Amino acid sequence: AQKITQTQPGMFVQEKEAVTLDCTYDTSDPSYGLFWYKQPSSGEMIFLIYQGSYDQQNATEGRYSLNFQKARKSANLVISASQLGDSAMYFCAMRGPDSNYQLIWGAGTKLIIKP
Amino acid sequence: KAGVTQTPRYLIKTRGQQVTLSCSPISGHRSVSWYQQTPGQGLQFLFEYFSETQRNKGNFPGRFSGRQFSNSRSEMNVSTLELGDSALYLCASSHGTNTYNEQFFGPGTRLTVL
Repeated sequence: AQKITQTQPGMFVQEKEAVTLDCTYDTSDPSYGLFWYKQPSSGEMIFLIYQGSYDQQNATEGRYSLNFQKARKSANLVISASQLGDSAMYFCAMRGPDSNYQLIWGAGTKLIIKP
Repeated sequence: KAGVTQTPRYLIKTRGQQVTLSCSPISGHRSVSWYQQTPGQGLQFLFEYFSETQRNKGNFPGRFSGRQFSNSRSEMNVSTLELGDSALYLCASSHGTNTYNEQFFGPGTRLTVL
């Protein structure tokens, strides 16, 4: 069965510093997708970035990049030059045939950016 | 392009009542998923619909049901409400159900059961 683990319940980071949010996953599928979402205190879940298991390069979207290490089954989110507005919950998720393409979610990491 | 919309945004009900939540997906999206989010249990999958058919169902009692209409709009219903049903209910839409299909979420409906 597929599983997502986010080991950091919470993180404090100084504004303008880079931050890495950890995500490890477990699956027996050769083909799967990995996703990161941001959830501000307002509640809405915002899609940030996607990485496919066969993608040769790490995904990037603006200040977000995904450090994909397939052999280690890790998909860490890197936020460069953090801003106060980055304070939110961050969720890692995956989908693949093993879960009938249902999104499997991690427990999330609460990120707080300090001014 | 309009995003995913959910109505109502807030709802207060009493135990034993029933409730219907509505979700309108992004135009062109045929897949709609529902999630329940609580502080204690985190994000839990309820069900997923694609072209009016339920594709996946989470581990929730039969009091939770849903459906999808031909225009891809979806509703979920909770009957005989319990205090533990108080949660944020999130709806998400996507083009399809493949590994690469990202889900786009609505603002959620915050249900409080008294």
